[in-house]
Amino acid sequence: DAKTTQPNSMESNEEEPVHLPCNHSTISGTDYIHWYRQLPSQGPEYVIHGLTSNVNNRMASLAIAEDRKSSTLILHRATLRDAAVYYCILRDRSRGSNYKLTFGKGTLLTVNP
Amino acid sequence: DSGVTQTPKHLITATGQRVTLRCSPRSGDLSVYWYQQSLDQGLQFLIHYYNGEERAKGNILERFSAQQFPDLHSELNLSSLELGDSALYFCASSVEGTGITGELFFGEGSRLTVL
Repeated sequence: DAKTTQPNSMESNEEEPVHLPCNHSTISGTDYIHWYRQLPSQGPEYVIHGLTSNVNNRMASLAIAEDRKSSTLILHRATLRDAAVYYCILRDRSRGSNYKLTFGKGTLLTVNP
Repeated sequence: DSGVTQTPKHLITATGQRVTLRCSPRSGDLSVYWYQQSLDQGLQFLIHYYNGEERAKGNILERFSAQQFPDLHSELNLSSLELGDSALYFCASSVEGTGITGELFFGEGSRLTVL
Protein backbone atom coordinates (compact mmCIF):
# COMPACT_ATOMS: atom_id res chain seq x y z
CA ASP A 1 0.00 0.00 0.00
CA ALA A 2 1.22 3.49 -0.80
CA LYS A 3 2.18 5.44 2.29
CA THR A 4 0.94 8.71 3.67
CA THR A 5 2.70 11.25 5.86
CA GLN A 6 0.84 13.36 8.39
CA PRO A 7 1.95 15.64 11.21
CA ASN A 8 1.84 13.91 14.57
CA SER A 9 -0.30 16.59 16.14
CA MET A 10 -2.07 19.87 15.48
CA GLU A 11 -3.88 22.34 17.61
CA SER A 12 -6.85 24.55 16.82
CA ASN A 13 -9.27 26.88 18.53
CA GLU A 14 -12.97 26.25 18.70
CA GLU A 15 -15.03 27.68 15.81
CA GLU A 16 -11.94 28.28 13.69
CA PRO A 17 -11.14 26.40 10.48
CA VAL A 18 -8.65 23.54 10.61
CA HIS A 19 -6.52 22.36 7.72
CA LEU A 20 -5.07 18.88 8.21
CA PRO A 21 -2.39 18.07 5.63
CA CYS A 22 -1.44 14.70 4.18
CA ASN A 23 1.40 13.88 1.81
CA HIS A 24 1.15 10.83 -0.45
CA SER A 25 3.86 11.27 -3.07
CA THR A 26 3.74 7.61 -4.20
CA ILE A 27 0.00 7.57 -4.85
CA SER A 28 -1.08 5.49 -7.83
CA GLY A 29 -3.82 6.23 -10.32
CA THR A 30 -6.19 3.73 -8.71
CA ASP A 31 -5.76 4.99 -5.14
CA TYR A 32 -8.62 6.80 -3.51
CA ILE A 33 -7.81 9.16 -0.64
CA HIS A 34 -9.82 8.35 2.46
CA TRP A 35 -10.01 10.17 5.77
CA TYR A 36 -11.17 8.62 8.98
CA ARG A 37 -11.11 9.93 12.50
CA GLN A 38 -11.09 8.24 15.87
CA LEU A 39 -12.58 9.98 18.84
CA PRO A 40 -11.35 8.95 22.29
CA SER A 41 -12.59 5.50 23.31
CA GLN A 42 -14.42 4.95 20.03
CA GLY A 43 -13.91 3.09 16.79
CA PRO A 44 -12.73 4.94 13.70
CA GLU A 45 -15.35 6.94 11.85
CA TYR A 46 -15.47 7.70 8.14
CA VAL A 47 -15.05 11.39 7.30
CA ILE A 48 -14.66 11.77 3.54
CA HIS A 49 -12.96 10.35 0.49
CA GLY A 50 -12.03 11.47 -3.01
CA LEU A 51 -10.10 10.57 -6.12
CA THR A 52 -9.16 13.69 -8.07
CA SER A 53 -11.67 16.44 -7.50
CA ASN A 54 -12.29 18.34 -4.30
CA VAL A 55 -15.12 16.88 -2.24
CA ASN A 56 -17.51 18.31 0.31
CA ASN A 57 -19.86 16.66 2.74
CA ARG A 58 -21.62 17.61 5.94
CA MET A 59 -18.56 16.84 8.03
CA ALA A 60 -15.67 18.29 6.07
CA SER A 61 -14.09 19.21 2.76
CA LEU A 62 -11.27 17.42 1.01
CA ALA A 63 -8.91 19.43 -1.16
CA ILE A 64 -6.75 17.31 -3.46
CA ALA A 65 -3.67 18.73 -5.16
CA GLU A 66 -3.64 18.70 -8.93
CA ASP A 67 -0.80 16.16 -9.00
CA ARG A 68 -2.58 14.16 -6.25
CA LYS A 69 0.60 13.95 -4.20
CA SER A 70 -0.98 15.73 -1.30
CA SER A 71 -4.38 16.49 0.13
CA THR A 72 -5.89 18.57 2.91
CA LEU A 73 -8.83 17.80 5.12
CA ILE A 74 -10.68 20.98 6.02
CA LEU A 75 -12.93 21.29 9.04
CA HIS A 76 -14.68 24.59 8.49
CA ARG A 77 -15.50 25.36 12.10
CA ALA A 78 -13.83 23.15 14.65
CA THR A 79 -15.82 22.11 17.69
CA LEU A 80 -14.64 20.37 20.84
CA ARG A 81 -16.24 17.22 19.46
CA ASP A 82 -13.77 17.30 16.56
CA ALA A 83 -10.86 16.53 18.86
CA ALA A 84 -9.67 13.18 17.58
CA VAL A 85 -6.94 11.34 15.70
CA TYR A 86 -7.37 11.92 11.97
CA TYR A 87 -6.11 9.28 9.56
CA CYS A 88 -5.33 9.87 5.90
CA ILE A 89 -5.41 6.56 4.05
CA LEU A 90 -4.87 5.51 0.44
CA ARG A 91 -7.17 2.78 -0.71
CA ASP A 92 -6.48 0.88 -3.94
CA ARG A 93 -9.65 0.39 -5.92
CA SER A 94 -8.24 -1.64 -8.78
CA ARG A 95 -9.77 -4.98 -9.60
CA GLY A 96 -8.30 -7.76 -7.52
CA SER A 97 -7.03 -5.52 -4.79
CA ASN A 98 -8.05 -5.92 -1.23
CA TYR A 99 -10.17 -3.16 0.14
CA LYS A 100 -8.79 -3.06 3.61
CA LEU A 101 -7.75 0.21 5.17
CA THR A 102 -4.15 0.51 6.31
CA PHE A 103 -3.96 2.98 9.18
CA GLY A 104 -0.86 4.98 9.96
CA LYS A 105 -0.23 7.02 13.09
CA GLY A 106 -2.55 9.83 12.07
CA THR A 107 -2.71 13.41 13.36
CA LEU A 108 -3.91 14.08 16.87
CA LEU A 109 -6.08 17.19 16.69
CA THR A 110 -6.54 19.17 19.87
CA VAL A 111 -9.31 21.78 19.90
CA ASN A 112 -9.03 24.53 22.48
CA PRO A 113 -12.19 26.18 23.83
CA ASP B 1 -24.25 4.47 16.38
CA SER B 2 -22.53 2.83 13.40
CA GLY B 3 -24.87 -0.15 13.33
CA VAL B 4 -22.00 -2.58 13.96
CA THR B 5 -22.34 -4.49 17.21
CA GLN B 6 -19.43 -6.03 19.04
CA THR B 7 -19.58 -8.26 22.11
CA PRO B 8 -18.29 -8.39 24.72
CA LYS B 9 -17.29 -4.77 25.30
CA HIS B 10 -14.78 -5.74 27.95
CA LEU B 11 -13.09 -9.02 28.68
CA ILE B 12 -10.49 -9.91 31.29
CA THR B 13 -8.80 -13.28 31.13
CA ALA B 14 -5.59 -15.05 31.99
CA THR B 15 -2.60 -16.04 29.91
CA GLY B 16 -3.05 -19.31 28.09
CA GLN B 17 -6.81 -18.96 27.84
CA ARG B 18 -9.01 -18.75 24.76
CA VAL B 19 -11.65 -16.12 24.00
CA THR B 20 -14.14 -15.43 21.24
CA LEU B 21 -15.08 -11.97 20.11
CA ARG B 22 -18.28 -11.52 18.18
CA CYS B 23 -19.28 -8.99 15.54
CA SER B 24 -22.65 -8.33 13.95
CA PRO B 25 -22.27 -6.18 10.85
CA ARG B 26 -24.71 -3.54 9.67
CA SER B 27 -27.79 -4.94 8.01
CA GLY B 28 -26.98 -5.68 4.39
CA ASP B 29 -23.19 -5.39 4.72
CA LEU B 30 -21.38 -8.39 3.30
CA SER B 31 -17.83 -7.51 4.29
CA VAL B 32 -16.38 -7.79 7.78
CA TYR B 33 -12.93 -6.60 8.77
CA TRP B 34 -11.09 -7.19 12.04
CA TYR B 35 -8.52 -4.78 13.44
CA GLN B 36 -6.35 -4.82 16.54
CA GLN B 37 -5.36 -1.61 18.28
CA SER B 38 -2.67 -1.56 20.92
CA LEU B 39 -0.86 1.44 22.34
CA ASP B 40 2.44 0.71 20.63
CA GLN B 41 1.19 -0.69 17.31
CA GLY B 42 -1.75 1.48 16.40
CA LEU B 43 -4.56 0.03 14.30
CA GLN B 44 -3.45 -3.19 12.65
CA PHE B 45 -5.49 -5.00 10.03
CA LEU B 46 -6.05 -8.65 10.92
CA ILE B 47 -8.42 -10.23 8.41
CA HIS B 48 -11.22 -9.53 5.93
CA TYR B 49 -14.22 -11.71 5.10
CA TYR B 50 -16.71 -11.17 2.33
CA ASN B 51 -19.95 -13.12 2.29
CA GLY B 52 -18.45 -15.98 4.25
CA GLU B 53 -15.17 -16.20 2.38
CA GLU B 54 -11.79 -15.04 3.58
CA ARG B 55 -10.55 -12.26 1.31
CA ALA B 56 -7.31 -11.11 2.88
CA LYS B 57 -5.10 -11.67 5.87
CA GLY B 58 -2.98 -9.08 7.54
CA ASN B 59 -0.86 -9.31 10.66
CA ILE B 60 -2.91 -12.08 12.20
CA LEU B 61 -1.10 -14.52 14.44
CA GLU B 62 -1.51 -18.27 13.95
CA ARG B 63 -3.05 -18.41 17.42
CA PHE B 64 -5.88 -16.25 16.10
CA SER B 65 -8.59 -17.38 13.72
CA ALA B 66 -11.81 -15.93 12.40
CA GLN B 67 -14.84 -16.93 10.44
CA GLN B 68 -17.94 -15.38 8.98
CA PHE B 69 -21.17 -17.30 9.28
CA PRO B 70 -24.07 -17.61 6.81
CA ASP B 71 -25.99 -14.94 8.71
CA LEU B 72 -22.91 -12.72 8.11
CA HIS B 73 -21.91 -12.29 11.72
CA SER B 74 -18.26 -12.93 12.42
CA GLU B 75 -16.22 -14.30 15.27
CA LEU B 76 -12.57 -13.76 16.09
CA ASN B 77 -11.04 -16.54 18.16
CA LEU B 78 -7.93 -15.81 20.16
CA SER B 79 -6.17 -18.74 21.81
CA SER B 80 -3.12 -19.37 24.00
CA LEU B 81 -3.42 -15.78 25.04
CA GLU B 82 -0.32 -13.79 25.97
CA LEU B 83 0.05 -10.52 27.81
CA GLY B 84 0.83 -8.80 24.53
CA ASP B 85 -2.56 -9.71 23.14
CA SER B 86 -4.15 -7.14 25.42
CA ALA B 87 -5.66 -4.62 23.05
CA LEU B 88 -8.81 -3.18 21.59
CA TYR B 89 -10.26 -5.34 18.84
CA PHE B 90 -12.43 -3.58 16.30
CA CYS B 91 -14.77 -5.03 13.79
CA ALA B 92 -15.85 -3.04 10.75
CA SER B 93 -18.35 -3.78 8.03
CA SER B 94 -19.05 -2.47 4.57
CA VAL B 95 -21.34 -3.23 1.70
CA GLU B 96 -18.56 -3.82 -0.76
CA GLY B 97 -16.75 -6.84 -1.87
CA THR B 98 -15.50 -5.73 -5.21
CA GLY B 99 -15.59 -2.59 -7.23
CA ILE B 100 -17.69 -0.37 -5.00
CA THR B 101 -16.21 2.65 -3.32
CA GLY B 102 -17.56 2.71 0.17
CA GLU B 103 -16.83 3.47 3.73
CA LEU B 104 -16.13 1.11 6.55
CA PHE B 105 -18.36 1.27 9.60
CA PHE B 106 -16.59 0.41 12.83
CA GLY B 107 -18.01 -1.01 16.01
CA GLU B 108 -17.12 0.31 19.43
CA GLY B 109 -14.59 -2.42 19.98
CA SER B 110 -13.92 -5.20 22.45
CA ARG B 111 -11.30 -4.41 25.04
CA LEU B 112 -9.32 -7.51 25.93
CA THR B 113 -7.12 -7.55 28.99
CA VAL B 114 -4.86 -10.55 29.52
CA LEU B 115 -3.47 -10.87 33.04
